[in-house]
Amino acid sequence: NAGVTQTPKFQVLKTGQSMTLQCAQDMNHEYMSWYRQDPGMGLRLIHYSVGAGITDQGEVPNGYNVSRSTTEDFPLRLLSAAPSQTSVYFCASSRPPRGGGQNNEQFFGPGTRLTVL
Amino acid sequence: AQKVTQAQTEISVVEKEDVTLDCVYETRDTTYYLFWYKQPPSGELVFLIRRNSFDEQNEISGRYSWNFQKSTSSFNFTITASQVVDSAVYFCALSLGGLYGNKLVFGAGTILRVKS
Repeated sequence: NAGVTQTPKFQVLKTGQSMTLQCAQDMNHEYMSWYRQDPGMGLRLIHYSVGAGITDQGEVPNGYNVSRSTTEDFPLRLLSAAPSQTSVYFCASSRPPRGGGQNNEQFFGPGTRLTVL
Repeated sequence: AQKVTQAQTEISVVEKEDVTLDCVYETRDTTYYLFWYKQPPSGELVFLIRRNSFDEQNEISGRYSWNFQKSTSSFNFTITASQVVDSAVYFCALSLGGLYGNKLVFGAGTILRVKS
């Protein structure tokens, strides 16, 4: 298994440009999420999905869109990049809770380092 | 709302010293899950442990041990006989149960530097 893969690894954008960060997993996980990591702030949840066709906002969703047409893929779209979106972006996936509600750990991709000039 | 506080921004130790990383959490829910992740200099996030709110048993895995105390809302992580390879950023995180299971709230992280 490749696990969680993210492309690209690095990206530089100019203010106002749009782009899509790709995320794919081959573990048949229903849950997928996007986080951004900024210095001194840990990771913050942008959007998440509990299955194909179902997405919801996290803590910092403004400026980002997501869709989930398949179980495997969960792309993150920046519609009009801003310098405040300079960050490292992580995609994660996990199985849904087991019987009795035991949450499972999330598996993270290698990250995408985005710079917006 | 949920909150995780890692008050130690950075810790430096000499190899073979023991070190404890503190984690304090806030939630009003009775069902929740606590996690520790390691982020080595290479940047990936590595899962270390999960603990649910109904299980206060401490856990030991090799040189790693975790102390979960609901009375103080803490989930501290101790590395015994630290090694240079332990140098990393360590994150404590919390999630609620059910459909919210993949909404992790992270602490700011603690940078651990182990010197030889």
